[in-house]
Parts: sequence; C-alpha cells; structure tokens
Amino acid sequence: SQTIHQWPATLVQPVGSPLSLECTVEGTSNPNLYWYRQAAGRGLQLLFYSIGIDQISSEVPQNLSASRPQDRQFILSSKKLLLSDSGFYLCAWSVSRQGSYGYTFGSGTRLTVV
Amino acid sequence: AQKITQTQPGMFVQEKEAVTLDCTYDTSDPSYGLFWYKQPSSGEMIFLIYQGSYDQQNATEGRYSLNFQKARKSANLVISASQLGDSAMYFCAMREGLVSRANSKLTFGKGITLSVRP
Repeated sequence: SQTIHQWPATLVQPVGSPLSLECTVEGTSNPNLYWYRQAAGRGLQLLFYSIGIDQISSEVPQNLSASRPQDRQFILSSKKLLLSDSGFYLCAWSVSRQGSYGYTFGSGTRLTVV
Repeated sequence: AQKITQTQPGMFVQEKEAVTLDCTYDTSDPSYGLFWYKQPSSGEMIFLIYQGSYDQQNATEGRYSLNFQKARKSANLVISASQLGDSAMYFCAMREGLVSRANSKLTFGKGITLSVRP
C-alpha cells in the first residue's frame, strides 16, 4: 500500500537558521509531489510541485526552495529562515493516470520561527 | 479571482442533524475535479469525497454527499447525521484539467470550521 512519510512533526527554529524538511513516498513510482503551506487558520497554499526527479516548479516567490534527488523523495529547504516562514507544511503526492485522482497528504510539520 | 470560495466563517450543528458546507468554484476548463478534505485539530488532511466535472450523478461516500450544481459552479458538502468527531476544518479544493495531466495540482479554499454540539 502507498504511504507518505513526513518529518519532523514539529520544529522550532531561530530566525536566520537553515531548514530542511523531508518527505518520502512508498508503494508507488513516478508520483507527482507537492509542498503546501498553511498559515494559522487559513487554507493551503501550494509552494512547489514536482513531476519527476530534479523537475521542480515554484508557485510563489519566497525564501524557500525544493529539491527532488530521488523519485520518491521531496525536500523543502531554506538557507535563512524568516519569521514569515512559520506555518504548517504539508507534503502530498498524486499520480497522473485515469481512474486515480486522489491526493494523499503527509501528517505535516508545524514550523515555528522565533 | 479566487478559484475556490468558501464564505461561511464557522458552522454549528446539533449532533445527529445534517449540515451543508458551501463551496463555489471558478474555472474555464471543461475538465476538472472537486474535492473535500477534513482537517481535525491534529492537522492531517483527510480525503472525504470527489466529484469529476463529467460525472452525471452526485458523489456519495457514507455520510458524505456532494451537491454538485455545475451551472451554478457550486459543490456543497452535505454531512448527514453529524457526529462529535465531525468537528474540524473542512476544505474544498479543485484540480483543473484532466487527471492525466502531469502538472495538475489542487487549489484550496480558505476552509470552514464546523463544530458539532452534543
């Protein structure tokens, strides 16, 4: 069965520190991968998506970057965190084929920048 | 313009009663999919129900049904026989284009908070 792992669950980081959040998918190949961010009490904003290894599309300009070094691994990074980077980060995957429309989300990382 | 609009600020429902959560959408693509997700306080996103733009019938999944009115571009979620565990944030989302399109992605509304009263 397909599963998605995301860690860590919570993170408190000082302003100016680096960030690395990792997401891995099991049980499927060639998934589309997504990073979303949710500000407190708000909807989800798509940050990055990837349709393959080293193929990353950015939806909004920001202080973050994403990489996909392996088919089922998606990493969200920052060199220097800002206070505005605080939020709930969710990784998700989907497959592009007829009959399969689901998007499955990881359990999320709650990031607080202090 | 917003693609997904959820304007109800917060909803309250008595346990065992039905409740409707509103969602309107905007797209010019004839092929699209509509989703509802539930987000409890733990933060996880739980998929509830899906409606394709070409589906002739309204989608149903257990106590969840989707009132799909294509001409009005609305996709309201109906929860029947509410339970205390239904208290959560509910998000409507849309995928534009065919599911087979590689760069298809979900766009979310701002969500609605549902509180079920005992």
